Amino acid sequence: KAGVTQTPRYLIKTRGQQVTLSCSPISGHRSVSWYQQTPGQGLQFLFEYFSETQRNKGNFPGRFSGRQFSNSRSEMNVSTLELGDSALYLCASRATPSTDTQYFGPGTRLTVL
Amino acid sequence: DQQVKQNSPSLSVQEGRISILNCDYTNSMFDYFLWYKKYPAEGPTFLISISSIKDKNEDGRFTVFLNKSAKHLSLHIVPSQPGDSAVYFCAARGGGGADGLTFGKGTHLIIQP
Repeated sequence: KAGVTQTPRYLIKTRGQQVTLSCSPISGHRSVSWYQQTPGQGLQFLFEYFSETQRNKGNFPGRFSGRQFSNSRSEMNVSTLELGDSALYLCASRATPSTDTQYFGPGTRLTVL
Repeated sequence: DQQVKQNSPSLSVQEGRISILNCDYTNSMFDYFLWYKKYPAEGPTFLISISSIKDKNEDGRFTVFLNKSAKHLSLHIVPSQPGDSAVYFCAARGGGGADGLTFGKGTHLIIQP
């Protein structure tokens, strides 16, 4: 079974731009969560989507948004990029929100200049 | 306020010996705990987990112990192998599976030959 895939793997943007990241969950998984990893803050939960609906949201500003499609693929968008948004963005999938274990993709490394 | 703490940023262990990685938490609502292993430029890989109703879970060379009264868990790796060198993250999930995972900052395990 293929794992979680994320595209692109690397991205360079400048301040003020916006960016969209994509995540395809493990086949059959319908829940997708997004996390941000930075050296200072570690791994932090952004939001979770299930059945095309956002279920939970972490403590991030409204510039961070996402959506989920009917095939469970998810996209994450960051608008008006700031230098501090430079991070590794990780996507994780699980069968449903009540499933205990989440499986992570390789991440998208975003650099904001 | 860090709800999941891994107080040792790094740990060096000789090959063949036991590696013990520790994790403390403050939120008594956490009901499920997971350990992930991460190599550079890759997403976290799920290792082992434990429900709050248990005090031990074993899977091959990996054993996780949970002490609810002390709000402490540990991951034991026996015997340690060179391929175990990685960053290990402790993660906790809130009650009902509704929340995203809360991660510790990680412990860099170095297995020395």
